[in-house]
Amino acid sequence: SYELTQPPSVSVSPGQTARITCSGYALPKQYAYWYQQKPGQAPVLVIYQDSERPSGIPGRFSASSSGTTVTLTISGVQAEDEADYYCQSADSSGTYVVFGGGTKLTVL
Amino acid sequence: QVQLQESGPRLVKPSETLSLTCTVSGGSISSYYWTWIRQPPGKGLEWIAYVYYSGSTNYNPSLKSRVTMSLDTSRNQFSLNLSSVTAADTAVYYCARGSHKGTNGAYGMDVWGQGTTVTVSS
Repeated sequence: SYELTQPPSVSVSPGQTARITCSGYALPKQYAYWYQQKPGQAPVLVIYQDSERPSGIPGRFSASSSGTTVTLTISGVQAEDEADYYCQSADSSGTYVVFGGGTKLTVL
Repeated sequence: QVQLQESGPRLVKPSETLSLTCTVSGGSISSYYWTWIRQPPGKGLEWIAYVYYSGSTNYNPSLKSRVTMSLDTSRNQFSLNLSSVTAADTAVYYCARGSHKGTNGAYGMDVWGQGTTVTVSS
């Protein structure tokens, strides 16, 4: 079955830039989506269609795509950004939804 | 503003069927992919299934033999049935609205319910 691979954890100091990667062979064909999930809360969509930001999401959240890897970038990280981040896409046929394993972002 | 609310039993016995309903308020149930996602304790997100507003469905292959989804447009609700449950089905179950679909099939979840914890235990 198709998998999306994320690093388990990323750590940054406040004000620095955090980058979280997500790899999958179908990503050149399928859009990627990113979610932020804080403890005890439902996920929140922060990026859709590879690099688009929903209304209400701060401008420090951005994303890019290159080949089989997509990257979520959080510039000027704040303490409130500490959370789990999940990438999501579909298999190459577009039939099934797939989530990455999640990355825990720690703000030091 | 669209809101989703899950409802259903919080405790299900092994081998029985888990049944959940998601009620959509503040918007129409048309033109979206209505989706169920679950998250076992301490683990990541797992897509279960979706039902399109037309009524067509699609299920996670790993759960397909046990899952059924349906849509009730008159009540603005969609539902999930998961049969023959075991302890491995214990999780927070989220309903979500799928949108921002790309031409090749991938879509994202832009509205989520708060989630409901379902425990499978005798």
